[in-house]
Amino acid sequence: RKEVEQDPGPFNVPEGATVAFNCTYSNSASQSFFWYRQDCRKEPKLLMSVYSSGNEDGRFTAQLNRASQYISLLIRDSKLSDSATYLCAVNILTGGGNKLTFGTGTQLKVEL
Amino acid sequence: NAGVTQTPKFQVLKTGQSMTLQCAQDMNHNSMYWYRQDPGMGLRLIYYSASEGTTDKGEVPNGYNVSRLNKREFSLRLESAAPSQTSVYFCASSETLPGQGYQPQHFGDGTRLSIL
Repeated sequence: RKEVEQDPGPFNVPEGATVAFNCTYSNSASQSFFWYRQDCRKEPKLLMSVYSSGNEDGRFTAQLNRASQYISLLIRDSKLSDSATYLCAVNILTGGGNKLTFGTGTQLKVEL
Repeated sequence: NAGVTQTPKFQVLKTGQSMTLQCAQDMNHNSMYWYRQDPGMGLRLIYYSASEGTTDKGEVPNGYNVSRLNKREFSLRLESAAPSQTSVYFCASSETLPGQGYQPQHFGDGTRLSIL
């Protein structure tokens, strides 16, 4: 099983729709979780951290489910400009130290 | 505030040539990282430096070396480039805040490297 897994998509949704992505992680000791956005051929940019109690930033809501070991990202009222790949990142405690492991990303396409 | 700056942005090499990718950050972060990103593979950690003076191997270190020159700069060297090293390379940095959990990483805009 991969340490961090995401559905690659693409998720094709109409403008204005609500869409949600999940990201599962294998290490129950993971403590820090993030969502990044990556546009085509650009660098990943931090979208938001994920807090234990869940958190919201405008149209974006992130949640953590420790029991089932996944995080989620909900986007409400999708815009064309939300089209991108969304990467989750989880800190993984390994024998080599504390590192951040990224999922391979979920592609979102918002259409007219 | 430039954040994380990588040079060069594009490079084409011939097999066997060597080159160094440069990375500098102006956020006073302790930790720095080098990743490569290939289609369908996601971001894979090559090397990282938890603090000035230390470096450690990541997931895919073979064929690469790194130098943490000072707190700001972390370079990645390909001694003898191979076509399999054709990729997009990202440098990142993060803060270390004891007791406050793992901090997010901030990325440079990448170096697109082609090995012929």
